[in-house]
Order: sequence, then structure tokens, then C-alpha cells
Amino acid sequence: DQQVKQNSPSLSVQEGRISILNCDYTNSMFDYFLWYKKYPAEGPTFLISISSIKDKNEDGRFTVFLNKSAKHLSLHIVPSQPGDSAVYFCAALGGFKTIFGAGTRLFVKA
Amino acid sequence: EAQVTQNPRYLITVTGKKLTVTCSQNMNHEYMSWYRQDPGLGLRQIYYSMNVEVTDKGDVPEGYKVSRKEKRNFPLILESPSPNQTSLYFCASTSGTSAYNEQFFGPGTRLTVL
Repeated sequence: DQQVKQNSPSLSVQEGRISILNCDYTNSMFDYFLWYKKYPAEGPTFLISISSIKDKNEDGRFTVFLNKSAKHLSLHIVPSQPGDSAVYFCAALGGFKTIFGAGTRLFVKA
Repeated sequence: EAQVTQNPRYLITVTGKKLTVTCSQNMNHEYMSWYRQDPGLGLRQIYYSMNVEVTDKGDVPEGYKVSRKEKRNFPLILESPSPNQTSLYFCASTSGTSAYNEQFFGPGTRLTVL
């Protein structure tokens, strides 16, 4: 039973437009969420995080939104750049364990 | 340079032959963790360690062992590997005794068990 779901395996976006990546979770005990980016042949790298006491966190072109009532978070990338093409994982924490989603592959077309 | 290193990067082995994948970090991090990445399943946590001599199971610990005798090292041991342990493995570390900070990942170890 997947506690963290990324229902879109892939997403294609034109350069300069907005990319929106979605993540749903089922466990209301999760209280911290992170997004990681992964390029081929490399380990994931941290992108942005949000605590459950907030509903938005922004860092440059990246913004994460959290809707606790819907158990949904989203990552917005504006404007999207070809270098953003990668696999994006959302992760949820509740205690010491980290639960990752299956990932969404983002293609940004020039 | 702050980093997490894993060795080997690639390994092909046979069923039942014990192996160890090493993980080392130079950031003096307390929390370390092992994950496996499989298509369609994302990253799944195998084991984690909050500090030296303190380890606990993640979501998929069966068939794996770990030890944390020193702060910088967190080896993953497969006592009797099986083909269903063919996967891409990542080690990660973070400051503090929990994962409530960004985790730094190693480059990955691709394991094939024949």
C-alpha cells in the first residue's frame, strides 16, 4: 500500500512555461515533506521542503504548496528550463522513516 | 568536498554469495539511511541509523543487515543475496538524529544478483 503517490509517471512542458508536479499522501501523521531531483547515474539531490504547519514554501523558481485537508502537495517550477529535465521524487516524513513516491519524469522542451 | 561515497558502484554476483556495500560520509552526520530504487516503486527505505550503534528497520528490511560502529560508515550487508535484490541502492546521510533535514545521497550502487 503506497502511502505517497505520484500518479503522473511523466510530464512534458515547454521551456519558459510552468511545470506542476503533484504528490498525494494517505498518512495524516506525516508532518514534513521534501522534493528531490534525480539525474541519470546520480543520487537524488534535495530541492525544497515544507513543514506541515505551512501551506507554501518558495525558493527561487521552485514553490511547494501543501494542502493538508486534501493530503496533497505540489511542486511548481516557473519558468521551466531544459536543465530541469529530471525525475522528481516527493518524500514524506513522520518520525524517523522517510517514504518516497515513485517519481515523475519531467521533460522540458527547448 | 562534502560527500557520501559508496563502493562498489557496480556489482554482479550470484545467488547466496555474501556481499557488503560500503557507505561513508565526511559531514559528521548522525542520521544515515539505505534505500533501494526499483522501476515504478521509487525509493524504498531499507534501514536507517540515528547514530552510532542505533539502527532500525525501514519499509523493506528483509534480506539485509546493517551496522553502525563508526559515525562516518554505514555498510549494507546481504548475507545470502537473491535475484529479487537486484536493484539500484543509495546511501544517504543528514545532520541531526532524524531525517527532518535534507538528505545527501551517494551516487548509487547497481547490484545484479544472478
